[in-house]
Amino acid sequence: AQSVTQLDSQVPVFEEAPVELRCNYSSSVSVYLFWYVQYPNQGLQLLLKYLSGSTLVKGINGFEAEFNKSQTSFHLRKPSVHISDTAEYFCAVRVQGGSEKLVFGKGTKLTVNP
Amino acid sequence: SQTIHQWPATLVQPVGSPLSLECTVEGTSNPNLYWYRQAAGRGLQLLFYSVGIGQISSEVPQNLSASRPQDRQFILSSKKLLLSDSGFYLCACGDWSSGNTIYFGEGSWLTVV
Repeated sequence: AQSVTQLDSQVPVFEEAPVELRCNYSSSVSVYLFWYVQYPNQGLQLLLKYLSGSTLVKGINGFEAEFNKSQTSFHLRKPSVHISDTAEYFCAVRVQGGSEKLVFGKGTKLTVNP
Repeated sequence: SQTIHQWPATLVQPVGSPLSLECTVEGTSNPNLYWYRQAAGRGLQLLFYSVGIGQISSEVPQNLSASRPQDRQFILSSKKLLLSDSGFYLCACGDWSSGNTIYFGEGSWLTVV
């Protein structure tokens, strides 16, 4: 069965600094990969997704992620963060051609300080 | 695009009381529907998913149940709530054949006291 590990539960950064949120997955077959963002007391919003093709995926709000098959990683990056990026970020994986399940990591709380 | 409605948004229930959380979807037909629970520090736990009316797959054995009486309606229930059932419950809707994305509702906060 597939699984997702988000290596950092909390990441504090200063405004305008770059940030990387790490995600590794485990699966014996090909996968689809997703990043979602959750603002306080709200549902989840899709940031970006990797389905196939280019390994560098660009999403909303200036975020991007790179799929690395050999390292089974899908790290999320942003070159310069804003206060408004403070939220919880979830990485998720779904097996290609298999189950309808989308499995999530435990989340990374990003706090952007002035 | 799909719109997901969840209610109630907030619920405080005593231990041992029943539960019913409802989710309805607009803007799509024959979607896959999901119930997730989010507890502090534990990420999102998939509870149930459904690929069609009356078809329910359970991921975690517990005192919760789910039903799908109509194509775009998904209900989470319990006959007797436990303190450990407290959490943030999220309904989600996905159609892997078009866009390969699932969308989430705004969630329902359940506090069992």
